Parts: sequence; C-alpha cells; structure tokens
Amino acid sequence: QVQLVQSGAEVKKPGSSVKVSCKASRGTFSNFGISWVRQASGQGLEWMGGTIPIYRTTNYAQKFQGRVSITTDESTSTAYMVLSSLRSEDTAIYFCARVLIVSFGFDVWGLGTTVIVSS
Amino acid sequence: QSVLTQPPSVSAASGQKVTISCSGSSSNIGKNYVSWYQQLPGTAPKLLIYDNNRRPSGIPDRFSGSKSGTSATLGITGLQPGDEADYYCGTWDSSLSVGVFGGGTKLTVL
Repeated sequence: QVQLVQSGAEVKKPGSSVKVSCKASRGTFSNFGISWVRQASGQGLEWMGGTIPIYRTTNYAQKFQGRVSITTDESTSTAYMVLSSLRSEDTAIYFCARVLIVSFGFDVWGLGTTVIVSS
Repeated sequence: QSVLTQPPSVSAASGQKVTISCSGSSSNIGKNYVSWYQQLPGTAPKLLIYDNNRRPSGIPDRFSGSKSGTSATLGITGLQPGDEADYYCGTWDSSLSVGVFGGGTKLTVL
C-alpha cells in the first residue's frame, strides 16, 4: 500500500513562505491527482488546491489564489505545496492526499505537516 | 461557511444506527461523486466511502453511503465506541472548479 511521507514541522515568520513536500513511498502519481488540505486547530478540513499530473491541470481555491503553488516531480514521486505571504491565520496542519481522478475521493493521506506562523 | 452543510454533531447509543447528512447544490453533489472521511482525534482523515456508496478495501460494511439529488448521507450501523470521530463529506464543485468539504460532524457514541 502506498504511503505519502510529508516533510517535517515548520515555524515561519509572518510574510515569509513555506514549502511542504509529499513523497509517495512507492509507485508514482501518474494515474492519480494530488490535493492539499489544511486544518486549523479545532476546525474542519479546507481544500487548498490540487493537481492532476497526467492532465497537466492545477486548480486552487479562490481563497489561496496568488499565494499557493502546487507542483509535482514525477521523477521522484514528490508533490510540493508552497504557501507565501504567510500570516498567523495560516497556522495549521497541512495534509497531502492522493486523489482518485474520476471520483475525487482522497484515498491515501499523508500524516500532515504542522506549520506555525509566529513573529 | 462550508459549501457543503453537515450537522455539527450527532449521537446514538452503542450498537445503534446513525445517519449523517450532507447537503450541497446542483454544481457539486448534484453533478459529482461524494466521498466520506472519518477523522479520529489527532490523526489524518481516512476514506470511508467514495463514488457515493463504494467502500475501500478494509472498511467494514457497517458504513454505507447514498446520494439523492443534491444531498448525500452516511450511515453507520452497529455503533462502537471506536466510531467516535469527526466525519466529513467532500466532492468537486464543477462551477467553482474547486474541491469542497462539509464542515464536519462530530459523532458521539453514548
């Protein structure tokens, strides 16, 4: 069973950027999509954006347009999410998830990466 | 405000059945498959149901999903203490071209 291994926790200053990685333990993303979902403490799941490498399409939630970038490196089966212009409200756990293309079900999740934004 | 609407909480006794609703619109649930996720405290979400009513391998048949029009429902029978968790519905919104989740429902097993 494939696992998604995410990078470690980050502490960032307001205004800076964070880059979170998500590596598939085996196989590739070639027949799947990848989405990034975040969850602030005590809050629900929030879809940030996603990409489908074989279709070369990427979509972002309007809330994050211009601040987020999602990319994949198929040679290393790694996905990346960069969030810029960080503010305190971006403090959250960031999950990557493998997406079933037709159904948009998220069948494999990473364990999450905690990002703390604090001066 | 979430695009999909779920009740904040539901409860039922151990061994009983519970349903969790998820209401959307013609551009999301009305047009696309619905998935359901279980999130135990301190863990990542886990896929319970996809394609409205299909269970991934390893998910017991106590969990079921259905969809009608712009609403979907998750059913759980034979409730166990270990089912206490937050449950989320999710789908794609074709008008907004974004993924959407419900606000989540906290299940308490009495």
